[in-house]
Amino acid sequence: GDSVTQMEGPVTLSEEAFLTINCTYTATGYPSLFWYVQYPGEGLQLLLKATKADDKGSNKGFEATYRKETTSFHLEKGSVQVSDSAVYFCALFMNRDDKIIFGKGTRLHILP
Amino acid sequence: NAGVTQTPKFRVLKTGQSMTLLCAQDMNHEYMYWYRQDPGMGLRLIHYSVGEGTTAKGEVPDGYNVSRLKKQNFLLGLESAAPSQTSVYFCASKAHSYNSPLHFGNGTRLTVT
Repeated sequence: GDSVTQMEGPVTLSEEAFLTINCTYTATGYPSLFWYVQYPGEGLQLLLKATKADDKGSNKGFEATYRKETTSFHLEKGSVQVSDSAVYFCALFMNRDDKIIFGKGTRLHILP
Repeated sequence: NAGVTQTPKFRVLKTGQSMTLLCAQDMNHEYMYWYRQDPGMGLRLIHYSVGEGTTAKGEVPDGYNVSRLKKQNFLLGLESAAPSQTSVYFCASKAHSYNSPLHFGNGTRLTVT
């Protein structure tokens, strides 16, 4: 079945460091891909998305590129801030069955 | 803007008791989803609905039932709660379009003793 694999956390970085959180997927067909962020005590909220190969999603300094050849959607940010500390989830949506499948999440800690 | 509202926010049940979690959205979304979130497991899909009167099973449907009698509401029922159902439950909704994002509620923390 369809699935999403994320790098395990927690990831701890210093402020202004470069961030990469890896995400790869397995799917029959061509899913839409999403990154969501969850702050403590809250539900998830959309960070960025991409719907076809080579699309780049971006928001709040975060970027991710839909790579069909490597079935990946890695999240990057050039200079992280303390306020970026949260749990990040990669997800895919398949038109075929309307399911939205999430990875296990990666907890990010940014140290001042 | 209410968005997606979940009730209750917290609940403690004893093993064998039943309860219903309510999810309401005011965005006229077609699709609604129930997930559970457990440490180290991420979000797992329980059941979902692509329209009023329709429901489908997700990854972990056993022990749960759902109903979508009205477009704006999606109910999650536990007929006989078990300690393994201790979790945080999230409801989410989205528009029909393939690239529409999910809108999440703030979750219900359920403890089964």
